[in-house]
Amino acid sequence: DAGITQSPRHKVTETGTPVTLRCHQTENHRYMYWYRQDPGHGLRLIHYSYGVKDTDKGEVSDGYSVSRSKTEDFLLTLESATSSQTSVYFCAIRGVVTDTDTQYFGPGTRLTVL
Amino acid sequence: GENVEQHPSTLSVQEGDSAVIKCTYSDSASNYFPWYKQELGKRPQLIIDIRSNVGEKKDQRIAVTLNKTAKHFSLHITETQPEDSAVYFCAASVGYSTLTFGKGTMLLVSP
Repeated sequence: DAGITQSPRHKVTETGTPVTLRCHQTENHRYMYWYRQDPGHGLRLIHYSYGVKDTDKGEVSDGYSVSRSKTEDFLLTLESATSSQTSVYFCAIRGVVTDTDTQYFGPGTRLTVL
Repeated sequence: GENVEQHPSTLSVQEGDSAVIKCTYSDSASNYFPWYKQELGKRPQLIIDIRSNVGEKKDQRIAVTLNKTAKHFSLHITETQPEDSAVYFCAASVGYSTLTFGKGTMLLVSP
């Protein structure tokens, strides 16, 4: 499964607490992405990274921040979690090589904010 | 930005029938169109993709067609089987950097 892991796989937290989700890849891919998946909304891009310390916002970035200090790790932080951030979060990676420009997804993290 | 519409939201077919899922996109500069299949509780997985310089692509029982003029692309599954039951997502990309996804189609194949 393209060498992507996510941690934790499940988390329950309370409103107002900070939460950090981790995506780790072993493929040395340049691009990494964070999506959230909610019923009726499909997959929506939160933030993405195109290199170490290079990140950009996606469609639903409000309330989220990211960091990428090394190629293999991409962190998603909810500074103060809200119930509307209850979701399944998927990380994805993409290489920048012809014919391998597809995004491959990690196993997901189910986050519940009470 | 890009907007991708996907129809239908649910599709029920009998085993052996064909299934067609349709997507439209808004940005005429889009040049990459992947399709993902997601089984319950699993990650989305790529099943087929097409680039804007190609009108059709096949892989065994699945095929994708692209009409750039109409900004429309479709997924075709022939001889459906119960294991094809899943949620299918289309997506579109300008320059490959980011994908915009449709909202998904739940396909149910009844034996």
